[in-house]
Amino acid sequence: DGGITQSPKYLFRKEGQNVTLSCEQNLNHDAMYWYRQDPGQGLRLIYYSQIVNDFQKGDIAEGYSVSREKKESFPLTVTSAQKNPTAFYLCASSRAGVANTEAFFGQGTRLTVV
Amino acid sequence: AQKVTQAQTEISVVEKEDVTLDCVYETRDTTYYLFWYKQPPSGELVFLIRRNSFDEQNEISGRYSWNFQKSTSSFNFTITASQVVDSAVYFCALSARNSGNTPLVFGKGTRLSVIA
Repeated sequence: DGGITQSPKYLFRKEGQNVTLSCEQNLNHDAMYWYRQDPGQGLRLIYYSQIVNDFQKGDIAEGYSVSREKKESFPLTVTSAQKNPTAFYLCASSRAGVANTEAFFGQGTRLTVV
Repeated sequence: AQKVTQAQTEISVVEKEDVTLDCVYETRDTTYYLFWYKQPPSGELVFLIRRNSFDEQNEISGRYSWNFQKSTSSFNFTITASQVVDSAVYFCALSARNSGNTPLVFGKGTRLSVIA
């Protein structure tokens, strides 16, 4: 089935460690996104990519890094520089160049710093 | 700048009641798109509807209906005869037509609890 797969579903990290969240899609979408969700905060954009080998910072990019080496994959690394990384992370994709198209979301990764 | 405001943080209703979720948006673009998503407890966001700024017709899909009013910059969502399965967090989102693909800007969401 076509869709977006995020892994793992739950992730625990020790303070000071980097951790990478996986996002894979088989929808042949050019654009991919990472959002962070905190209670009562809605979804905030971390990074997005409209095409392979290119990406842009969103509203809260500090402490995060991404890569887009393949169309299907858009991994997010939460670095030790991120002060408060405990949150729910959602990956999404959409057709690029078409502002009116809906984004499809993965099931999310819940990251907890222990 | 674009902004979406969902003033209702949490709503509780008894099953079979009607409920309206409010959404107010801000944008300077004349061409834009509005969306509603549902987030059930599983966490994944489910797309419900898309509306463009030139189409102010209200839309009905089963028990769901949407009221788009440009004059008040609102895009409200009504669930008729609510059911327990409607319990979720609902997000309103906005995308403006700049060059390229503008990422969605989300409101903070409204948590709807439908009590049996």
